[in-house]
This record gives sequence, C-alpha cells and structure tokens, in this order.
Amino acid sequence: QVTLTESGPALVKPRQTLTLTCTFSGFSLSTSAMCVGWIRQPPGRALEWLALIDWDDDKYYSTSLKPRLTISKDTSKNQVVLTMTNMDPVDTATYYCVRTIIVRGVPDAFDIWGQGTMVTVSS
Amino acid sequence: QSVLTQPPSVSGTPGQRVTISCSGSGSNIGRKYVYWYQQFPGTAPKLLIYRNDQRPSGVPDRFSGSKSGTPPSLAISGLRSEDEADYYCAAWDDSLSGNWVFGGGTKLTVL
Repeated sequence: QVTLTESGPALVKPRQTLTLTCTFSGFSLSTSAMCVGWIRQPPGRALEWLALIDWDDDKYYSTSLKPRLTISKDTSKNQVVLTMTNMDPVDTATYYCVRTIIVRGVPDAFDIWGQGTMVTVSS
Repeated sequence: QSVLTQPPSVSGTPGQRVTISCSGSGSNIGRKYVYWYQQFPGTAPKLLIYRNDQRPSGVPDRFSGSKSGTPPSLAISGLRSEDEADYYCAAWDDSLSGNWVFGGGTKLTVL
C-alpha cells in the first residue's frame, strides 16, 4: 500500500522559512521514473503546483515560486523535503505531498496524495 | 487567476449527465494530456481521469474524459448525490521551464 504523510509546523511567522517533510512508503524514489512533489491549496481556493523531484535527482519548480523553493530527497529514509523561504500570509494553505512518474520526459498524473498539512502564516 | 479555465459551478439532478469544460492554451492542453481530480470537502484530491480519457482502477465508468471536443471536458453520467464535489482539471505546460497548471475548480451540485 502506497502512502504519503506530510509533516511540518502548523504555524510560521512572516519572513520565516517553512520546512515540510513528506515521508512515504510502498514505493522507492530510487525506482526509475518515480517522482514525488508538492501541491498547495489556500483555503477555499484552487490547487497550485509547487515542485517535484525525480529518482535521478532532477528537480522541477513552479516558475513563479522558484526563487523561494528548494526540494530535496533522502532515498534511504523515504523522505522528500520542501523548503519555502520568506513566508507571507498569502502562503497560508494546505500543503499536499504527491506521487507521480515521469513519462517521456514529462510528469504524469498525481496518482497518490497525502492527507495534507495546514500551514498558517501569521505573526 | 488560474491558467486553465473551468466554470465555477455546474448542477444537475440525479440520473442526469453533466459536463465540465477546461480551457487553456497551446502550451498546455493544446498539446499535452489533460487530467481531472475530484475533491470532497476537507479531503485530499483524488485522481479521476488521466491522459485525457483514462480511468484509474476503481473509478466508475460514469466518469469520462474527452479531448476530442473543444475545449476538453469531463462528463459525469447517471449523476448521483455522492458525486457532489469540486473537480479540477490540470495539464503540464511546457512554456518556460515547464509547470503543472490547474483550473480554478468547478463545484458540482446535485439538486
């Protein structure tokens, strides 16, 4: 059974750096084509893709948020970590960890989602 | 402002067929696959349709995706009360360095 579980702070202050960890099971990120990433959803609003990292350590970032994002993986721990700098109240959202695969050089469907973790940015 | 455009809401009565459209541009749905996700309140989205018209295992065949029409759409036939949810379309956009883009979501109400 494939599962993804997000963890991190529920509350961060403006201008702080957010660090989120996705711990997964049921698959290995060292498997060819495998990919794990992050998507967020502000309350009452649409989904927004943030970043992906693949089995070969290639990283894909949202163009608009790339200056603030860093994604990394620890294959031995089955974890993917996302950091987002300079947090602002508009970054308040539920952050989801997702799995996908790379097909012909392009990420495919997000077939497995974590339950999400709510992050509030407030002083 | 979402890159892909969906109607904010659609509604139907039980047994009816409804469709949800997803408009974009040539750099995304024009030449890339369209994906659909279903989300119930307070829960994570779930993959409903992938690569335009493929259903994951367990998704009822009442749900179908099409890219043959313009714009691409999700159809739900034999509408049930449990289909009431938010639906999002998505596509890979290969402009710039590549991004996943989503629609703004469509709230389906079963009357």
